[in-house]
Amino acid sequence: DGGITQSPKYLFRKEGQNVTLSCEQNLNHDAMYWYRQDPGQGLRLIYYSQIVNDFQKGDIAEGYSVSREKKESFPLTVTSAQKNPTAFYLCASSIGPEGATQYFGPGTRLLVL
Amino acid sequence: GNSVTQMEGPVTLSEEAFLTINCTYTATGYPSLFWYVQYPGEGLQLLLKATKADDKGSNKGFEATYRKETTSFHLEKGSVQVSDSAVYFCALSVVSMDTGRRALTFGSGTRLQVQP
Repeated sequence: DGGITQSPKYLFRKEGQNVTLSCEQNLNHDAMYWYRQDPGQGLRLIYYSQIVNDFQKGDIAEGYSVSREKKESFPLTVTSAQKNPTAFYLCASSIGPEGATQYFGPGTRLLVL
Repeated sequence: GNSVTQMEGPVTLSEEAFLTINCTYTATGYPSLFWYVQYPGEGLQLLLKATKADDKGSNKGFEATYRKETTSFHLEKGSVQVSDSAVYFCALSVVSMDTGRRALTFGSGTRLQVQP
């Protein structure tokens, strides 16, 4: 079955530590996205990538970094510069930059110890 | 800028009741409109969509009509079930005039609780 997988389901970060969230898709989609969801709020765009080896900042990119070395993979690193990282992180993909419909993974919940 | 406004929740209904969740939007250009559903601890699932004015999206008994004159995309279901309990997000997608990027803008979500 085609879909988007995210791992781990839960992730704990210590103060000053960088952590990386995985996102893999086998839908053959060109575009991929990372969103952050805080309790009781909608989703906010962190980074997006329209094609391999290219990515752009979203609305709240500070304290985060990404890479897009393969079409299937779009990992997100939460750096120590992100002072309030506790949130639910969602990865999504779409057929291409013009594809309006985005499909979401199951999410990773990041907690700070 | 682009924005989506949803009615605040929680919305609490008895099983088999009629559901309406209001959604209005502001957008430049011609947006596509979506409803996503999120069950506890999970990601978002696409529920339905509409890409142009007067289109009706429908799925699993839910439906919503793209109303350009009232800039609305209200979600309705004739008879809700306990299994419909979830958070529902209205969203729009439009190409940004500033960045050329197709962005998805979400409402803040409406929690639906259906009681047996």
